[in-house]
Amino acid sequence: SQQGEEDPQALSIQEGENATMNCSYKTSINNLQWYRQNSGRGLVHLILIRSNEREKHSGRLRVTLDTSKKSSSLLITASRAADTASYFCATDAGNTPLVFGKGTRLSVIA
Amino acid sequence: EADIYQTPRYLVIGTGKKITLECSQTMGHDKMYWYQQDPGMELHLIHYSYGVNSTEKGDLSSESTVSRIRTEHFPLTLESARPSHTSQYLCASWGQGARETQYFGPGTRLLVL
Repeated sequence: SQQGEEDPQALSIQEGENATMNCSYKTSINNLQWYRQNSGRGLVHLILIRSNEREKHSGRLRVTLDTSKKSSSLLITASRAADTASYFCATDAGNTPLVFGKGTRLSVIA
Repeated sequence: EADIYQTPRYLVIGTGKKITLECSQTMGHDKMYWYQQDPGMELHLIHYSYGVNSTEKGDLSSESTVSRIRTEHFPLTLESARPSHTSQYLCASWGQGARETQYFGPGTRLLVL
């Protein structure tokens, strides 16, 4: 069953602003991953954060993980129109398939 | 872009037809997955495989079947297509190594009339 829940479901911002998406999950995990999906395409991996990590950066992306609250956030700084996409979190609990959330649809308006 | 391929990319077919969606990867990954996704919505895992001759059903009840005769190939078959099967089908793979991530194919968009 799905255990990742993204919040908000949809987000619309102006170019240059920061975008923050949140993900909550229900069970213990080994790591949490964020993926991006452009319209009509497959998902592309963005960043992975392990359960013993609290924060990770990759370019304009910043991910945090709070295992006590079972939540994660993805921050995209200085957003661009090209960042428009759906963003999914996925949890890895071990030798079971990744569990994906419902996604946040981000629109960045130029 | 990862080396995982899906064919066809788009398919329009009539009700009752048998169809096979192809997925292949050249990375030697043991684990492969099929997801069903309505545009922009959540992914539903329908089948997965952890290696040759290993297949499991996912969370979403599906009228499809899969096979895994070769490591690189994981086809999905619908014996009798119905309009309710209209959706996007995504194939993914995951291999042991430095990157603990799934690689996704571009997807097949299926329309059943």
